[in-house]
Amino acid sequence: GESVGLHLPTLSVQEGDNSIINCAYSNSASDYFIWYKQESGKGPQFIIDIRSNMDKRQGQRVTVLLNKTVKHLSLQIAATQPGDSAVYFCAENAPYGGATNKLIFGTGTLLAVQP
Amino acid sequence: KAGVTQTPRYLIKTRGQQVTLSCSPISGHRSVSWYQQTPGQGLQFLFEYFSETQRNKGNFPGRFSGRQFSNSRSEMNVSTLELGDSALYLCASSPLSSGASYEQYFGPGTRLTVT
Repeated sequence: GESVGLHLPTLSVQEGDNSIINCAYSNSASDYFIWYKQESGKGPQFIIDIRSNMDKRQGQRVTVLLNKTVKHLSLQIAATQPGDSAVYFCAENAPYGGATNKLIFGTGTLLAVQP
Repeated sequence: KAGVTQTPRYLIKTRGQQVTLSCSPISGHRSVSWYQQTPGQGLQFLFEYFSETQRNKGNFPGRFSGRQFSNSRSEMNVSTLELGDSALYLCASSPLSSGASYEQYFGPGTRLTVT
């Protein structure tokens, strides 16, 4: 049958404003989280990561917040620029009896920056 | 340092054929993971290789297989292609050796179209 594309939530912001992208993760055992940015025709680009023993981490113009109580992640982008327009994914990594790299991705959020 | 490279970038195959995709990780990275990205299902984990061993596998049929060579380069193979296998296949490498999970860096992907 015909597959239905994922309906991506869209966040539209004005250039220069701050953006907040939210993500709910699924596994309370997940101990590592990553935010990726994906532009059209490219692979996901690493933005920032955070481990479960932290609740906040800052990078250049970006901040990730982790709330383990409600299994929620957010990515804050300061002074959003047109080049920030892309799809943003959160991903979680749950330990499966040892070291592993098995990321579970969210559905993504389309960030549209208006000049 | 060169990023993750994938070949070929684009591929068109016919139903029933088989295909092999290649991935070269970032120098020094020993963990290679593969993901499938489609509009309908988003980004889904296929498998992960470390030191030439498959360490983790996602929920894909046995038609999907992979391997890793001693130089950490990896290949994935899909046999008896189906129309639904049309997707962007992404490879990611990680410096993970043991213990906690580490960031994964993605290549540009191979766009596979099955007709």
